[in-house]
Amino acid sequence: GQNIDQPTEMTATEGAIVQINCTYQTSGFNGLFWYQQHAGEAPTFLSYNVLDGLEEKGRFSSFLSRSKGYSYLLLKELQMKDSASYLCARTGGFKTIFGAGTRLFVKA
Amino acid sequence: GAVVSQHPSWVICKSGTSVKIECRSLDFQATTMFWYRQFPKQSLMLMATSNEGSKATYEQGVEKDKFLINHASLTLSTLTVTSAHPEDSSFYICSATPSASGSSYEQYFGPGTRLTVT
Repeated sequence: GQNIDQPTEMTATEGAIVQINCTYQTSGFNGLFWYQQHAGEAPTFLSYNVLDGLEEKGRFSSFLSRSKGYSYLLLKELQMKDSASYLCARTGGFKTIFGAGTRLFVKA
Repeated sequence: GAVVSQHPSWVICKSGTSVKIECRSLDFQATTMFWYRQFPKQSLMLMATSNEGSKATYEQGVEKDKFLINHASLTLSTLTVTSAHPEDSSFYICSATPSASGSSYEQYFGPGTRLTVT
């Protein structure tokens, strides 16, 4: 497999900040996706990192370290609607391989 | 924006029958489409890469004779689950990469098809 690891579940409070980590195998690596998926729906695109560093898009930011095989998704000002699964996916060799996903529960 | 549709959105079939799922790119041409399968509380597992005008490339462990893929045009790929069994019950999702895209990793997902085999 592609050895993509991310936590299974996380719980955070509305209004708080949460960081979801993802580690992956670096061989043949091209880039790293983050997707959001609500239950029973298809994934929706959040970010795609190819270069090292932090990319910010509103309340969501994504970080990549190519040398460490590490990425994280940062969600700020959490809202109840952010309760979903967050999928980390690596690209390489013309394919996108998904991690198992992190189920985030946002509580009031 | 790039829109991908799937039909049907859900289907129930009897064990032993075949089911065809369509994936269409509505406002762009897609040389490459991908088929994924997702079991409850699990992530997307890539089944195969579908290329227009050529045979699909299947991932290890996916039976090509059971999951028939046809990509006859630049806007349509079909997945046929043959001789379906209850263990084939799953959420099937396709994605499409625009032919005009500068990145082979740009992909847009369809809404998914929930298959239940009884």
